[in-house]
Order: sequence, then structure tokens, then C-alpha cells
Amino acid sequence: EAQVTQNPRYLITVTGKKLTVTCSQNMNHEYMSWYRQDPGLGLRQIYYSMNVEVTDKGDVPEGYKVSRKEKRNFPLILESPSPNQTSLYFCASSLSGRGGEQFFGPGTRLTVL
Amino acid sequence: SQQGEEDPQALSIQEGENATMNCSYKTSINNLQWYRQNSGRGLVHLILIRSNEREKHSGRLRVTLDTSKKSSSLLITASRAADTASYFCATDESNTGKLIFGQGTTLQVKP
Repeated sequence: EAQVTQNPRYLITVTGKKLTVTCSQNMNHEYMSWYRQDPGLGLRQIYYSMNVEVTDKGDVPEGYKVSRKEKRNFPLILESPSPNQTSLYFCASSLSGRGGEQFFGPGTRLTVL
Repeated sequence: SQQGEEDPQALSIQEGENATMNCSYKTSINNLQWYRQNSGRGLVHLILIRSNEREKHSGRLRVTLDTSKKSSSLLITASRAADTASYFCATDESNTGKLIFGQGTTLQVKP
């Protein structure tokens, strides 16, 4: 089944404790992206990747890192999480980065205490 | 950056009625897409309409696009309780292909 998977689905952590949210897609998509969703602010893009080893900042990249060593994986790293990073995170992928249909993962609900 | 803005923010209707949601955007686009999100879950792609198209249908969905007014509408006909969800429009920046999502319309369909 074609899908985007994220892990973990739920995470409660404390300020400053490094964490990684994994994202994997099995559709051989070139484009992958991370979003955060907050009430009243909608979906905001954190980072995106047009292909392996090619990543770029989205609208709200501060406090996050990403890597794209393999086509299928695009982990989101929070080196030193802070409470303002409490949010619902979505990974998405599409065939190319040219505005086509995006496939979303189920989301990761992160709480930073 | 905010591109699409949906209207209304919330809509409540009875099962069987039609639901219309509108989206306005600011810059030139290659296409406009609509997504649905059930509470707390990932977004699901519904339909894509290209800038050279004016209307598109998919099952009970009808999307229109007016590039001169920079607006789009999503019509859901004969709504069902299962249509209860948030609906987002997304536009792509024509020079980068980046998708920008609106704030969404929350639709409640009462049985």
C-alpha cells in the first residue's frame, strides 16, 4: 500500500532533550516536506527536500534540522526542543516538487514540557 | 507566507444539503488543490484544478477556479455525516512549485 509513515505518533518530552521524528515513503517520490500545524496558524512548512541530499528551508525552519540521505526517508530533528515547538507535525511527499498532489503521513503530536 | 484564505471558517449544515467553501489567493498559480483533514489526522488530497481549467468534477465534488478573481470554490453536493472534516485549499507558487495552504474551513454535517 502506497503510504507515508511517521514515528512516533505521539511524544511527550522535556525541554532540551534531542529527538527525531522519522518519516518514510514507499512511492519513490522525489519531493518530501515537513509541516507543523497549530490552531489559528494553519499548516506551515518547516523544511523540504527536492531529492536526495537536497534540502531547503521552509517558512519556519528555526529550531529544526533535516537530512535526506535516502530517497525514502526524511527525518526531522529537534536538537534542543522548546515548549513553542509543541505542535502537530506532518510529513508529506509528492512525485516532484512542482506543485503536484501531496501525500501526507498520519501526523506526530509532540508536546514539549 | 499565507496564500490561500478560506471562507467561511466554519460551516454547519444538515445531511443532504450542499456545502460551499471558498478560497482566495494572492499570486499567480499553476494549480489549486483541495484537501480534507479529519480531526487530528493527515490531509487527504481531494482534487486538483489547473490554472487553465475553470471547473472540475469528482464524484460529489465540484471545484471552480476564477484566475481573474484569484478565487476558487469547492462544492460538496448531497452532504453526508462522513463529510464532517476540515477542508483546505492549497496553491502552488508558480515560480517554485511550493504548496501554500490556507487556514481551512471546518465543516460539520449533522445527521
